[in-house]
Amino acid sequence: DTGVSQNPRHKITKRGQNVTFRCDPISEHNRLYWYRQTLGQGPEFLTYFQNEAQLEKSRLLSDRFSAERPKGSFSTLEIQRTEQGDSAMYLCASSLLNSGANVLTFGAGSRLTVL
Amino acid sequence: GESVGLHLPTLSVQEGDNSIINCAYSNSASDYFIWYKQESGKGPQFIIDIRSNMDKRQGQRVTVLLNKTVKHLSLQIAATQPGDSAVYFCAENWARDSSYKLIFGSGTRLLVRP
Repeated sequence: DTGVSQNPRHKITKRGQNVTFRCDPISEHNRLYWYRQTLGQGPEFLTYFQNEAQLEKSRLLSDRFSAERPKGSFSTLEIQRTEQGDSAMYLCASSLLNSGANVLTFGAGSRLTVL
Repeated sequence: GESVGLHLPTLSVQEGDNSIINCAYSNSASDYFIWYKQESGKGPQFIIDIRSNMDKRQGQRVTVLLNKTVKHLSLQIAATQPGDSAVYFCAENWARDSSYKLIFGSGTRLLVRP
């Protein structure tokens, strides 16, 4: 297992277009998280899944954002009608909740630039 | 609200010196804390963690101290090396309302002078 994999690493799009990011977590991890990070800031929680169930969504996740994890393995994050304010690094992480030790392993991120 | 904050946005140290990075957290119910290191162009990387029933934990060259009374965390790096240059984040496991997410602070940039 090579860790958490995210694709694409970079995406440049025009305002109004839709974009989709994919995350492949560590195979034995049952939890998968999406975070957003802007320059100089810490990661901001967006949403997380336990297996295929989406258990929590942040108020940051507007109606234009949707995340899925259909088979409890990989996940996709789609942003519809992108806006310049969506420009950020989108980080995926996975974990195996074990005795309260929720260590998230992060991928390298997908950087989105909206022109 | 949900917040984990840091006192110093940038810390510059001489190679070989010890570094101390501080963090304040907001949720007294948080039961678990992690320090992450993030290098440019990479995702955050786990450094060390500590449970709320402990006040100190040591790793290789790193020590985390937890003071629950004042909701304060610190990361100590011994004999700081150029490879330690990065942004460091503390994160708290938001154990409230059946939630299991990590809430991150805004980070401290550590610069190691040769």
